[in-house]
Amino acid sequence: GEDVEQSLFLSVREGDSSVINCTYTDSSSTYLYWYKQEPGAGLQLLTYIFSNMDMKQDQRLTVLLNKKDKHLSLRIADTQTGDSAIYFCAERDGTSYDKVIFGPGTSLSVIP
Amino acid sequence: NAGVTQTPKFQVLKTGQSMTLQCAQDMNHNSMYWYRQDPGMGLRLIYYSASEGTTDKGEVPNGYNVSRLNKREFSLRLESAAPSQTSVYFCASSDTLDQGGGQYFGPGTRLTVL
Repeated sequence: GEDVEQSLFLSVREGDSSVINCTYTDSSSTYLYWYKQEPGAGLQLLTYIFSNMDMKQDQRLTVLLNKKDKHLSLRIADTQTGDSAIYFCAERDGTSYDKVIFGPGTSLSVIP
Repeated sequence: NAGVTQTPKFQVLKTGQSMTLQCAQDMNHNSMYWYRQDPGMGLRLIYYSASEGTTDKGEVPNGYNVSRLNKREFSLRLESAAPSQTSVYFCASSDTLDQGGGQYFGPGTRLTVL
């Protein structure tokens, strides 16, 4: 079945760039998403990319998609302590539109 | 615009008790979802509703029922709670014309079953 994988932990220094990686298996994915979850809160949609795009930039966030390798990344420029959270990658199934597969989440720690 | 709201925020039940988790969205979205989030298990889909009047099972539907009361509201019912249903429950909504169909999540209900 479809699967989404992410590394579980990432630690960066404040001011550096963070890169969170994700791989997925469904070659018919239509949209891919990044969500942020802060402690005790729900998931917040950060950004999305359509599967025919390679890159999308939104202020400090850059999403790169390599469809051939089924690899998605989220780069956060000038990482701040407020960026400490869990980041989830997700993909929308191309055959069953309402099916969204989430990765396990990457816990980002920003060291002051 | 409140987005997605959920009630209650916290709940403690005894085994065998029933309860209904309420969810409402004010974004005029067609699709609504119920997930549970457990440590080490990630986010798992319980039920979803692609439009008013329709509901479908997700990955872990056993022990739950849902009602799509109208376009705004989607409730989740536990008929006879079990300790295995201790979890954080999230409701979400989405629409194909909004942010690529990305989901908007509520703040969650933290449920403990003793």
